[in-house]
Amino acid sequence: QKEVEQNSGPLSVPEGAIASLNCTYSDRGSQSFFWYRQYSGKSPELIMSIYSNGDKEDGRFTAQLNKASQYVSLLIRDSQPSDSATYLCAAAYGNNRLAFGKGNQVVVIP
Amino acid sequence: DAGVTQSPTHLIKTRGQQVTLRCSPISGHKSVSWYQQVLGQGPQFIFQYYEKEERGRGNFPDRFSARQFPNYSSELNVNALLLGDSALYLCASSFWTGYGYTFGSGTRLTVV
Repeated sequence: QKEVEQNSGPLSVPEGAIASLNCTYSDRGSQSFFWYRQYSGKSPELIMSIYSNGDKEDGRFTAQLNKASQYVSLLIRDSQPSDSATYLCAAAYGNNRLAFGKGNQVVVIP
Repeated sequence: DAGVTQSPTHLIKTRGQQVTLRCSPISGHKSVSWYQQVLGQGPQFIFQYYEKEERGRGNFPDRFSARQFPNYSSELNVNALLLGDSALYLCASSFWTGYGYTFGSGTRLTVV
């Protein structure tokens, strides 16, 4: 069973602050990792992908990968109310099947 | 370009009935996967198809089946529906394995 764990509860951050999300994965063979954003009642939207150790930045989002620790994180800088959503961490295994965590809800307080 | 399209958007079925969900991938995408998402959980992998061949199957009973057509569209069939099959069913497409998937808007299935 390939597992991705997102253990943090709902995260409330003030507008303009940094939101930090973490996840761990069980399959050392996983090579591709993704962060999806899901608004309530909507489908997941791909916001970041990362394949190698280190940081990857895209606008206000930064993904970090540490394969030795089997750890992936997402930073959201200058958080906006429109960032309020559930963020899903996913790891690819086998023929690019995705294993998802349960998600972390982020609430940005104006 | 159109994204991943799924139909229908909502569906209500009775226990024991059968349902067929449809998906059209992004033009040029040859890989289609199906996921089930129950409330409060992340999506769970059901099937993956690439070039019309099944490439993977998740931990779902044989009541679940799928196929991919020559135009790369796909259908997911669920027989003998149970109350626990109530969920959001997501179709995702990708150009190739190893790329991130783009999800459709989903089909919300309610079994009563």
